[in-house]
Amino acid sequence: AQSVTQLGSHVSVSEGALVLLRCNYSSSVPPYLFWYVQYPNQGLQLLLKYTSAATLVKGINGFEAEFKKSETSFHLTKPSAHMSDAAEYFCAVSPNTGGFKTIFGAGTRLFVKA
Amino acid sequence: NAGVTQTPKFQVLKTGQSMTLQCAQDMNHNSMYWYRQDPGMGLRLIYYSASEGTTDKGEVPNGYNVSRLNKREFSLRLESAAPSQTSVYFCASRDRGGMNTEAFFGQGTRLTVV
Repeated sequence: AQSVTQLGSHVSVSEGALVLLRCNYSSSVPPYLFWYVQYPNQGLQLLLKYTSAATLVKGINGFEAEFKKSETSFHLTKPSAHMSDAAEYFCAVSPNTGGFKTIFGAGTRLFVKA
Repeated sequence: NAGVTQTPKFQVLKTGQSMTLQCAQDMNHNSMYWYRQDPGMGLRLIYYSASEGTTDKGEVPNGYNVSRLNKREFSLRLESAAPSQTSVYFCASRDRGGMNTEAFFGQGTRLTVV
């Protein structure tokens, strides 16, 4: 069975600092991986996704993530945090060998300090 | 573009009451999903419909029923609401392209059961 673990329920960074949000997955074969962002009182929006093409994936708003099979990780980074990045971020995994269930991590809330 | 529309946005129920959450998408997507979001637990899949005419249980189906009314609409019913069902409910849809495609989410329904 697939699962996804996000390390750290809360992350706080200063404006202009590096953002690093961690995600590890468990799957018998490399799945499809996603990062979604949720702003207050809204639904989730896709930031980026990995679908077995390039291992370094670039998304919207300057975010990127690197798929590392050896570490079963898909960490999200942004070189310089902006106040508008404050939100909750979810890592998600979908099967690439059949099935329709997308499993989400518990989420990481990002705080950006001025 | 409306995308995924959920109604109502807010609801307060008394224990034992029933209600139906409505979801409609205008993107001609095949698959539709219902998730609940609880603090510290991320999004958990309640039910999903891989295509019109089919529905399947997710991780936490107990206490819920669903109906895929047509390709556009996927409703979630609580027959006898319990305080443990207090949560934010999200409907999502995905294109026929497979599990490597992104899910589109509605704005959510905030349900309180007293």
